[in-house]
Amino acid sequence: ETGVTQSPTHLIKTRGQQVTLRCSSQSGHNTVSWYQQALGQGPQFIFQYYREEENGRGNFPPRFSGLQFPNYSSELNVNALELDDSALYLCASSLPRTYEQYFGPGTRLTVT
Amino acid sequence: ILNVEQSPQSLHVQEGDSTNFTCSFPSSNFYALHWYRWETAKSPEALFVMTLNGDEKKKGRISATLNTKEGYSYLYIKGSQPEDSATYLCASSGSNYQLIWGAGTKLIIKP
Repeated sequence: ETGVTQSPTHLIKTRGQQVTLRCSSQSGHNTVSWYQQALGQGPQFIFQYYREEENGRGNFPPRFSGLQFPNYSSELNVNALELDDSALYLCASSLPRTYEQYFGPGTRLTVT
Repeated sequence: ILNVEQSPQSLHVQEGDSTNFTCSFPSSNFYALHWYRWETAKSPEALFVMTLNGDEKKKGRISATLNTKEGYSYLYIKGSQPEDSATYLCASSGSNYQLIWGAGTKLIIKP
């Protein structure tokens, strides 16, 4: 059984640019959630995808968008990057309607 | 309580000592309380998921309790070892299965 993987590990972007982060779910998991963790804070829920559709969204602007593919892998896209978008982005996969989520190691995004 | 809060923010414990820390969460629309252990440069690792008032769970030297009526959970570590050094995060989930996280307790075990 493979775990959750994320790519890239680190990324540096300039303000105003766009970025795509990727996540491969644990085998058999069709639900994926994305979180943003700013320095010194707990992770903040961005959104969740289930069967390729958004299934809940946190308090993030529309420039944060996502996709889930038929193989349950997922992307997080952020447009018009701002300095405050610098954070660790985590994805977690789970079986539907279960509580336990399995996390990837995260992507560290730095916006300059 | 409107948010998930953890205390203390950080903790230095002598190797061999036992310790505990707290997670407070909103008791309305509560479905589950999660504890995760997060070592630097690794993925958060699930320790426990608890749903019922009075739940107690144990994994080796680590245990946790849950009080849903008053909205708190304790995590206990018995006989701390250097490998216990990590950040311990709790999260609450409601009917939508989405996690609301605390900021974590950073535990440092001193040899």
